[in-house]
Amino acid sequence: DIQMTQSPSSLSASVGDRVTITCRASQSISSYLNWYQQKPGKAPKLLIYAASSLQSGVPSRFSGSGSGTDFTLTISSLQPEDFATYYCQQSYSTFTFGQGTRLEIK
Amino acid sequence: QVQLQESGPGLVKPSQTLSLTCTVSGGSISSGDYYWSWIRQPPGKGLEWIGYIYYSGSTYYNPSLKSRVTISVDTSKNQFSLKLSSVTAADTAVYYCARVSNFGDYYYYMDVWGKGTTVTVSS
Repeated sequence: DIQMTQSPSSLSASVGDRVTITCRASQSISSYLNWYQQKPGKAPKLLIYAASSLQSGVPSRFSGSGSGTDFTLTISSLQPEDFATYYCQQSYSTFTFGQGTRLEIK
Repeated sequence: QVQLQESGPGLVKPSQTLSLTCTVSGGSISSGDYYWSWIRQPPGKGLEWIGYIYYSGSTYYNPSLKSRVTISVDTSKNQFSLKLSSVTAADTAVYYCARVSNFGDYYYYMDVWGKGTTVTVSS
């Protein structure tokens, strides 16, 4: 099984900050990596697929990069609505999620 | 616009079988363009993928749950279902259904989600 590890597990930041979340796979997964945002009491929302492709309707301040085992999600300028939990998910071999990164207001 | 809605009992007794249905509206399960997936989230914890199914009935399951999970599809009702047997308190979670889309035939991702339904395992 492919394990996904996100870092940090939680993060405090301010509106306007640039934030980066990292996801590492236990083996190479090429670019088969997706990112989701989840707000309390809501279903996850797809942000990025295939490591760097922005889902339709998602603001351009969100971007993804990486391939192989190391990936990043970057939010270029945090907005109030971005405070949420973020999950990476591999699709190289069925599906596995990372444990999540909680982004909190500083 | 495609929408998914989970339904089923909110309370299941230990050792029994959890049964949920996801109804798809605004699109056809039989289109063949998508897989259909179940995901769960225990209280205060992260997301766990359970499995997915193609309209033809082909299934793929999480190895850690495979011995207890059955996902099926009913194209006539535009629904797919989850059965999880021998449940314990550890199966208490919000259960989501989702559509699995693909990009370039190889990149799969879950782009449409239901709102989720809470299932509690308790006597």
